[in-house]
Amino acid sequence: QSALTQPASVSGSPGQSITISCTGTSSDVGSYYLVSWYQQHPGKAPKLMIYEVSKRPSGVSNRFSGSKSGNTASLTISGLQAEDEADYYCCSYAGSSPVVFGGGTKLTVL
Amino acid sequence: EVQLVESGGGLVQPGGSLRLSCAASGFTFSSYWMSWVRQAPGKGLEWVANIQQDGSEKYYVHSVKGRFTISRDNAKNSLYLQMNSLRAEDTAVYYCARGLVPAYAFDIWGQGTMVTVSS
Repeated sequence: QSALTQPASVSGSPGQSITISCTGTSSDVGSYYLVSWYQQHPGKAPKLMIYEVSKRPSGVSNRFSGSKSGNTASLTISGLQAEDEADYYCCSYAGSSPVVFGGGTKLTVL
Repeated sequence: EVQLVESGGGLVQPGGSLRLSCAASGFTFSSYWMSWVRQAPGKGLEWVANIQQDGSEKYYVHSVKGRFTISRDNAKNSLYLQMNSLRAEDTAVYYCARGLVPAYAFDIWGQGTMVTVSS
């Protein structure tokens, strides 16, 4: 099972919106509404930000939103803040090899 | 407080074995799928294995099949990963994570334990 494809890096200024893409195949992202997104600050454990494509866990800011179209899922962060600077990973259910992560995207807040 | 605490990491020679443990607290451990996820130094996350609530179903990433075994003891609120025939490419921080079902998402993570495979 190959990793999902994410851009290596994205950047934005405070207050702006950014979108991180996550491209899979018809065997994972394209077939299931089971995409999740994780935020990871350096030296810390990942934190769940979005699950089931667009649902937010309790306590996660509504500035974070998720969507999916075909084989590509997206994470959008609006009203960018300095604390959003982190690595972001997408993840999808993949059937027979149940879970696959993306390669990760480093978000820089300029 | 809902918490996962890993232990058992360390330095091991290629071909050696190591057993990781994850102690759960603050929630009904026996009600959740549990997973191990690893992260090689400077690299991304890689799902390793998961186990159903009663231990009857287990799944592994292809690269560890036949070498790693995931297990759990619900009476002790503990998750384990027995790692045999370790290779340099198994060097990583290993996290245990609680699974959201049927979301196949991980909502609680431990702090991780470092495994280094080197001679």
